[in-house]
Amino acid sequence: DAGVTQSPTHLIKTRGQQVTLRCSPKSGHDTVSWYQQALGQGPQFIFQYYEEEERQRGNFPDRFSGHQFPNYSSELNVNALLLGDSALYLCASSRLGGYNSPLHFGNGTRLTVT
Amino acid sequence: SQELEQSPQSLIVQEGKNLTINCTSSKTLYGLYWYKQKYGEGLIFLMMLQKGGEEKSHEKITAKLDEKKQQSSLHITASQPSHAGIYLCGADINGGATNKLIFGTGTLLAVQP
Repeated sequence: DAGVTQSPTHLIKTRGQQVTLRCSPKSGHDTVSWYQQALGQGPQFIFQYYEEEERQRGNFPDRFSGHQFPNYSSELNVNALLLGDSALYLCASSRLGGYNSPLHFGNGTRLTVT
Repeated sequence: SQELEQSPQSLIVQEGKNLTINCTSSKTLYGLYWYKQKYGEGLIFLMMLQKGGEEKSHEKITAKLDEKKQQSSLHITASQPSHAGIYLCGADINGGATNKLIFGTGTLLAVQP
């Protein structure tokens, strides 16, 4: 049973560029959440997708957008990259309903913006 | 200020020693989750606590939730090098089983053989 998979594992981009990160949820999960983790910090919630729609959003600018596909996989897009966007981006999946379905995380995509 | 505070920020223990990590919330907790993270990797789910007074154990790790104090503790008995890593507590403070978690800044644990 495959867990949450993310691609790519590492990425280097230049300021102003755009990036797309991909995530496949754990089998049986229908909800995908994205988190940003800066060095030495805990993960920060970006947004959550269910039924191909954004359900919840954290305190991130509109440069951060996402998409969920019919097969539940998801993409995170970041436009006009800033140096401060350098971080580990984590995807987590769960079944809608929360408490009995803890988040399962992928290994993340390490984004470096130069 | 941080909504979830973890203490200590880092910890070095001798193999075989016991240790405790604390997580305190400034808001009502609707669910408390403990995760472990190896540097640069994803988070591994350890335990989930939902009700005040709840206590769960897995192997040598025990977690408790004190709802009144809005606090949770993670206790490791007879630590081993395999316990080394970053321990993160996460909490749902919005209610409604949203699974929108906030996280503490983590506790870095090193276990010396």
